[in-house]
Amino acid sequence: NAGVMQNPRHLVRRRGQEARLRCSPMKGHSHVYWYRQLPEEGLKFMVYLQKENIIDESGMPKERFSAEFPKEGPSILRIQQVVRGDSAAYFCASSPALAGANVLTFGAGSRLTVL
Amino acid sequence: AQSVTQLDSQVPVFEEAPVELRCNYSSSVSVYLFWYVQYPNQGLQLLLKYLSGSTLVESINGFEAEFNKSQTSFHLRKPSVHISDTAEYFCAVTAANYGQNFVFGPGTRLSVLP
Repeated sequence: NAGVMQNPRHLVRRRGQEARLRCSPMKGHSHVYWYRQLPEEGLKFMVYLQKENIIDESGMPKERFSAEFPKEGPSILRIQQVVRGDSAAYFCASSPALAGANVLTFGAGSRLTVL
Repeated sequence: AQSVTQLDSQVPVFEEAPVELRCNYSSSVSVYLFWYVQYPNQGLQLLLKYLSGSTLVESINGFEAEFNKSQTSFHLRKPSVHISDTAEYFCAVTAANYGQNFVFGPGTRLSVLP
């Protein structure tokens, strides 16, 4: 069981470029969560998805950010026209069903640096 | 909605001393509570959880946490810490039985000094 796989682990982009972060959930998990961790800050919820559906995107910035979890393939967090303030660690977590009694299993994170 | 407060952003403690990391939450419904640990440059790992039953829960590496409903707290304790316990600790809450997202506290950085 490979766990939650995130790639790339490190990504460097210049201002205005696009960043794509990928997350493959644990085998058997159908729910994916994305969190952002800014330096010296805690985890901030961004979006919660299940296959082909966005369940809750209340933590997602209204512009430039989007997420998807297609029927086949990994979940993708996409940031368009990146700015320096987007520099952060982005963590993906997965659960087998609605989180609650089930726990979240986290990936190792993708660290985005915007120059 | 739920919220989590971790009052101590940093806790330095000497090796083999006891430690308590505080966590308070607010919620209008019943909750499940969790502590996660994050070692440098890694993801979060579940340390322990309270779902129901005994209010005292333990982890395999000597940590314990007690759910106190009247004080809306879930403090994490260890009677004797090791250098290897140095990490960031996050308290998290989710609404029981509603399947909503997890809300994390800001984290407490535990530094164990030799």
